[in-house]
Amino acid sequence: AQKITQTQPGMFVQEKEAVTLDCTYDTSDQSYGLFWYKQPSSGEMIFLIYQGSYDEQNATEGRYSLNFQKARKSANLVISASQLGDSAMYFCAMRDLQRGANNLFFGTGTRLTVIP
Amino acid sequence: EAGVTQFPSHSVIEKGQTVTLRCDPISGHDNLYWYRRVMGKEIKFLLHFVKESKQDESGMPNNRFLAERTGGTYSTLKVQPAELEDSGVYFCASSQEQGAGAFFGQGTRLTVV
Repeated sequence: AQKITQTQPGMFVQEKEAVTLDCTYDTSDQSYGLFWYKQPSSGEMIFLIYQGSYDEQNATEGRYSLNFQKARKSANLVISASQLGDSAMYFCAMRDLQRGANNLFFGTGTRLTVIP
Repeated sequence: EAGVTQFPSHSVIEKGQTVTLRCDPISGHDNLYWYRRVMGKEIKFLLHFVKESKQDESGMPNNRFLAERTGGTYSTLKVQPAELEDSGVYFCASSQEQGAGAFFGQGTRLTVV
């Protein structure tokens, strides 16, 4: 069974600093995808970044990068140069590609607060 | 381009009543998903439509939940009769391709009292 663990219920970061949000996963499958979503106070879930298990390079999208360490089964999200608008809940999720499943398994989320 | 929209944004109903949640996916997205987050717990998958067909409904908690997607456009999720433990935020998501990153709606917060 797949499992996503986010051990940080809340994080604080100073504006313009970088922050790392932790995510570890547990799966016996070889082919899977890892996602990060942002949920601002308005409620919608915003897709941020994707990493495939066979991708050799870490995914990057603007100020977001995914620190993928396959052997440690971790997929930490790094946000560089934090902005006040980054304050939100962040969810790590995984999809099992090998079995063709299309549903996402989510972690419990990390609430990030950016301090001016 | 309009995103995924859900209606209503909030709903408060009494135990035993019926509630219907609606999701309008992004136009042209064949894949539509329903997820639920119960207070303090992780977001969990409920079911997946491909057009009007249920591809995977393994996450539906019980037969009090009925999802439909007639015509392959919008979808409804009906809870009948609602129980206290059904309270939570119900998210809908859609994607053009299976396996792609899905676009989520803002969710419907359901409170059963």
